[in-house]
Amino acid sequence: SQQGEEDPQALSIQEGENATMNCSYKTSINNLQWYRQNSGRGLVHLILIRSNEREKHSGRLRVTLDTSKKSSSLLITASRAADTASYFCATVTNFGNEKLTFGTGTRLTIIP
Amino acid sequence: KAGVTQTPRYLIKTRGQQVTLSCSPISGHRSVSWYQQTPGQGLQFLFEYFSETQRNKGNFPGRFSGRQFSNSRSEMNVSTLELGDSALYLCASSQQPSNTEAFFGQGTRLTVV
Repeated sequence: SQQGEEDPQALSIQEGENATMNCSYKTSINNLQWYRQNSGRGLVHLILIRSNEREKHSGRLRVTLDTSKKSSSLLITASRAADTASYFCATVTNFGNEKLTFGTGTRLTIIP
Repeated sequence: KAGVTQTPRYLIKTRGQQVTLSCSPISGHRSVSWYQQTPGQGLQFLFEYFSETQRNKGNFPGRFSGRQFSNSRSEMNVSTLELGDSALYLCASSQQPSNTEAFFGQGTRLTVV
């Protein structure tokens, strides 16, 4: 079963614009991670944010976490054609069952 | 440092057959997890191994099994294949179980006909 739901399911923007994707989850978490997947290949880890953190940055990526709303957002600034991919959030719960539970993903298309 | 290696990359099997997929984690990583990805169900957790012990198992039938060897390499086996087992099977390794980032292989694309 999915822990997270991502919104929107698909997003198309012009190159250079910012892209924002949202993730909502159901249960308390230890941490939340974002991954990128290009065309049905392996996933690439982007960023990890722990439950006691509210915001993290990595290059053009900014992730926020609101544990009271059980939601997270991923912002990609100044998008590039190479950012075209599917983006997934994944949660790790607090219950000693430390598996990654993935959301449904957002398909991002950057239009050159 | 070499990444996570999954073999084979592509596989076509007939219903009723069995299949074994292999995963070699990043050197020094002791945790290996397996995921199934399908268009309908998305990414579903199969199982996780750490130091040769299965720590977690997802909601899959007993036809799906796995193991981890002393060198941390892992295999998963699916017996009595069904059409619905057609999927991309992804392996991920990490230094510790999932509270750190996971590194994924390119996956094995299994097609059951």
